[in-house]
Amino acid sequence: TQLLEQSPQFLSIQEGENLTVYCNSSSVFSSLQWYRQEPGEGPVLLVTVVTGGEVKKLKRLTFQFGDARKDSSLHITAAQPGDTGLYLCAGPYQFYFGTGTSLTVIP
Amino acid sequence: DAGVTQSPTHLIKTRGQQVTLRCSPKSGHDTVSWYQQALGQGPQFIFQYYEEEERQRGNFPDRFSGHQFPNYSSELNVNALLLGDSALYLCASNRLAGGQADTQYFGPGTRLTVL
Repeated sequence: TQLLEQSPQFLSIQEGENLTVYCNSSSVFSSLQWYRQEPGEGPVLLVTVVTGGEVKKLKRLTFQFGDARKDSSLHITAAQPGDTGLYLCAGPYQFYFGTGTSLTVIP
Repeated sequence: DAGVTQSPTHLIKTRGQQVTLRCSPKSGHDTVSWYQQALGQGPQFIFQYYEEEERQRGNFPDRFSGHQFPNYSSELNVNALLLGDSALYLCASNRLAGGQADTQYFGPGTRLTVL
């Protein structure tokens, strides 16, 4: 079983603060995906990273894939209430999802 | 263009009963996957259907079974329900072309409560 551990599990911050979410595994992945899930909805794909060391930016969100392709991080700059949700990393073909990070941004 | 739809949205059953959940994939998609998600946790992969066959299966008992119809829609059946089966059941679809799956889209889920 390829486990994807995310940290922290819960995060509550004030609007305007920065934050980083981590996704770690003992296995090497050919790619990793990041999703955001809002209450009452299914997960929505944010980004896919495929190359070790790759950095992708999506507005205020910065995603990085570790050099060894065993870990990834998601950094949010100047968080807004609309960023509130459950953030999930996933391995290839979405057979394995991370444990999730629940983010609450307080106005 | 309708996305992935699931029915029902909510369902309450008692232990030992059987349940059937339904999923219609996004237009143009031929592959359907099912997931179980406990509150605040990541989804757990149950199985994936393509060309009406189970293509991949996660670590779930045989009480969990599925079916895919010629129109690509799918059903998830769970027999002999246990309290621990209470969860959000998500359906996702994508298109498998040339062996490379494209972006997967999720439905809103069915919330199953077992009493």
